[in-house]
Formats: sequence, structure tokens, C-alpha cells
Amino acid sequence: DGGITQSPKYLFRKEGQNVTLSCEQNLNHDAMYWYRQDPGQGLRLIYYSQIVNDFQKGDIAEGYSVSREKKESFPLTVTSAQKNPTAFYLCASGSGPIALTGELFFGEGSRLTVL
Amino acid sequence: AQSVTQLDSQVPVFEEAPVELRCNYSSSVSVYLFWYVQYPNQGLQLLLKYLSGSTLVKGINGFEAEFNKSQTSFHLRKPSVHISDTAEYFCAVLGRVAGGTSYGKLTFGQGTILTVHP
Repeated sequence: DGGITQSPKYLFRKEGQNVTLSCEQNLNHDAMYWYRQDPGQGLRLIYYSQIVNDFQKGDIAEGYSVSREKKESFPLTVTSAQKNPTAFYLCASGSGPIALTGELFFGEGSRLTVL
Repeated sequence: AQSVTQLDSQVPVFEEAPVELRCNYSSSVSVYLFWYVQYPNQGLQLLLKYLSGSTLVKGINGFEAEFNKSQTSFHLRKPSVHISDTAEYFCAVLGRVAGGTSYGKLTFGQGTILTVHP
């Protein structure tokens, strides 16, 4: 079945460690996105990529890094510079240009807890 | 730039009652508008969207929303809710410019938790 796969679903890490969250899609979508979700704050955009080998910072990019070497993959690294990394992370993709459909397809999320 | 405000953080309602989840937006350009639903510990899925045309939009699971440009609102409604509608609902806006292109990223509201009681 077509869709977006995020892994791991749950992740525990010690403070000061970098962690990488995986996001893979087989929908043949050009655009991919990473959002962070905190209770009562909705979804905030971390990074997005409209095409392979290109990505842009979203609203809260500090302390995060991404790569887009393949169309299917858009991994997110949460670095030790991120002050408050405990959150629910959502990856999404969309067929481009987004204006034609306006719809994003989401993975099931990765819950990161920093101890 | 655009922003979205969901006026209620939590909405409790009894089964089979009607419900309205409120959403207001601000934008310096014309917009596309969306409602997404999130069930516990899952990703979001699209309920409905307004791109153009009729201001009353029907979506999945019996939900509908009305785009009101003068009020800058896009409230979500359902005439009779079920227990299975218990979830968090997000309103989102996408700015658009002349020619149909967009800024390419959705701005989400803070979310409204709908709890349906038996």
C-alpha cells in the first residue's frame, strides 16, 4: 500500500545525544515536510523540501537538520542544540505544486522523549 | 504571512448532538483552507478543503464547513456526532498568489479536542 512510514514510533534518548528520525514515502510525491507537535500549540513547521537535493527552513528550524538525497526519503536529525526536543514529530508529503491539491499525507508520527 | 486561530481548545458534546468547531484566519493574500483530523497517537488526515467555488464544502464522515470571506472564518460543523468522532481537529491555511501558485506550506491552528460523550 502507498503511504508514509515513520520510524521509530517511540524513541528515548539521553540529553545531549543527536537522534535521527526516519521518514520514507512511496507516493512519488515531490514535496516532503517535518512538523513538530506539542500539546496546545498545533503543528509547527521545522523543514520542508520541494525537490530532491533542496530544502528550506520552516518556522522552528534551530537545533534540527535534514537531508533530501532521494525522493523517497527525508530524515530529520534532532541535534543536541535543540533546547526542548521532547515532542511528537510528524512527517508529511504532498504532490506538487501543492496549490493543485492542497492536501498533505501524514505518517503516524514519532514520539521522542529526552530523559 | 498568514495565521490561524481555533477559538476553542476543547469541545465536549453528547452523542447525536450537533457540533461546530470554530476557525478564523488572517492573511494578506487569498487563501486555501483545510480541516484535518487526528486520532490519538496517529498522523493527520484530511477532512475537507476549500480551494475555490462553492463556499459550503462537504467532507468525509458527514462533516461540512463554510468559507466566509467577510468574517475570515471557516467553521467546521456536523449535525449529529458519534463516539467515533472523538479526536483532535486542526484548521489550516495555505496562502496563494496570482497565477495559482502558493507559498508551499500550510499554517496550522492550535487544534480543538472534540470529545463525544455517550
